[in-house]
Amino acid sequence: SYELTQPPSLSVSPGQTASITCSGDKLGDKDACWYQQKPGQSPVLVIYQDSKRPSGIPERFSGSNSGNTATLTISGTQAMDEADYYCQAWDSSTAIVFGTGTKVTVL
Amino acid sequence: QVQLQESGPGLVKPSETLSLTCTVSGGSIRGYYWSWIRQPPGKGVEWIGYIYYTGSTNYNPSLKSRVTISVDTSKNQFSLKMKFVTAADTAVYYCARHLQFLDYWGQGTLVTVSS
Repeated sequence: SYELTQPPSLSVSPGQTASITCSGDKLGDKDACWYQQKPGQSPVLVIYQDSKRPSGIPERFSGSNSGNTATLTISGTQAMDEADYYCQAWDSSTAIVFGTGTKVTVL
Repeated sequence: QVQLQESGPGLVKPSETLSLTCTVSGGSIRGYYWSWIRQPPGKGVEWIGYIYYTGSTNYNPSLKSRVTISVDTSKNQFSLKMKFVTAADTAVYYCARHLQFLDYWGQGTLVTVSS
């Protein structure tokens, strides 16, 4: 079965850049997206189709996807960005697969 | 604004069948795919399966033998049935609208498997 691997945790200082990776076999050939989940809340889509931002998502969130790695970048990280982040891939054979999740701590 | 609401029993006995319904409001269920996702306490998210409004389905291979997703377009609802549940199926269950990504999610409902 298809698997997506993320680092379990990441710490970043306020105002700095956080880069979260998501690794999977030939992930660059698939559409990748990213979700933010805060405690007790449902996941929220922050990036879709590798690099597009839904309406209402701040410009500091950006994404890329190439080779075997998709990356979510948070520029100028704010305290409100502290959350769990999940990548997700889709293609016709694997349907939906989620990454293992990364806990981002802002301190 | 599309809204989704999960409903169903919060407690299910081991070996029995878990049944949940997702009601879609603010938009039609027609024309879209609809997914179920779950998240065990303190763990990551897992996709369970999806259904197109016409009734075609696709399931996570690891759950396929126990899961059935159905749709009722007249009620703007879709449903999940998972049979032979165990404690490992204890989780928050979410429903969501599915394109190639999940753009609208329900608030989630906790289902506990315990005798």
